[in-house]
Amino acid sequence: DVVLTQTPPTLSATIGQSVSISCRSSQSLLDSDGDTYLNWLLQRPGQSPQLLIYSVSNLESGVPNRFSGSGSETDFTLKISGVEAEDLGVYYCMQATHAPLTFGSGTKLEIK
Amino acid sequence: QVKLLQSGAALVKPGASVKMSCKASGYTFTDYWVSWVKQSHGKSLEWIGEIYPNSGATNFNEKFKGKATLTVDKSTSTAYMELSRLTSEDSAIYYCSSYPFAYWGQGTLVTVSS
Repeated sequence: DVVLTQTPPTLSATIGQSVSISCRSSQSLLDSDGDTYLNWLLQRPGQSPQLLIYSVSNLESGVPNRFSGSGSETDFTLKISGVEAEDLGVYYCMQATHAPLTFGSGTKLEIK
Repeated sequence: QVKLLQSGAALVKPGASVKMSCKASGYTFTDYWVSWVKQSHGKSLEWIGEIYPNSGATNFNEKFKGKATLTVDKSTSTAYMELSRLTSEDSAIYYCSSYPFAYWGQGTLVTVSS
């Protein structure tokens, strides 16, 4: 199975600060169809996960543009440009290129 | 408005089975795979498997083969997951998701206890 390693495991930020989360894959996530199926999700406390970014860098409808994704092959980054209070929670990367689909272990964002 | 409405929490005895539901509305149910995801307390997410409502085709994480059975009822736009031979390791929140992963149910808490 593909292992996704997220760093850091926890992140503490002040409102307005920009932060980045890394997700490294044990295998290339470039699919034979040319797409890279790496998504980012946010799970707020007590809520279901929410899709933020799909296919590395595509912003899901309704998601603020302070969120952005980048990367290729095995190294990916989620950036939040100007953290807001509502951004607290656990961020997960997930891959859907290789079966079975797998998730990272999560990065918990705390607001100082 | 897209909604995935899951069935309520279940308390089940070890060795028993549990069947949970995920009722979709607001989109064409048969067009998108429905995935099921497990979240053990305080832990990360595990993909169990997926079903394509139009055909009933399924794909599973090997870890959950023999544990989970996925079905759908197209007439009610509802997906089901049955978990069998339950142990304490199966205590978790189970989510359904579709579109893919753009829509999530609210989760069903399963507690396995005698």
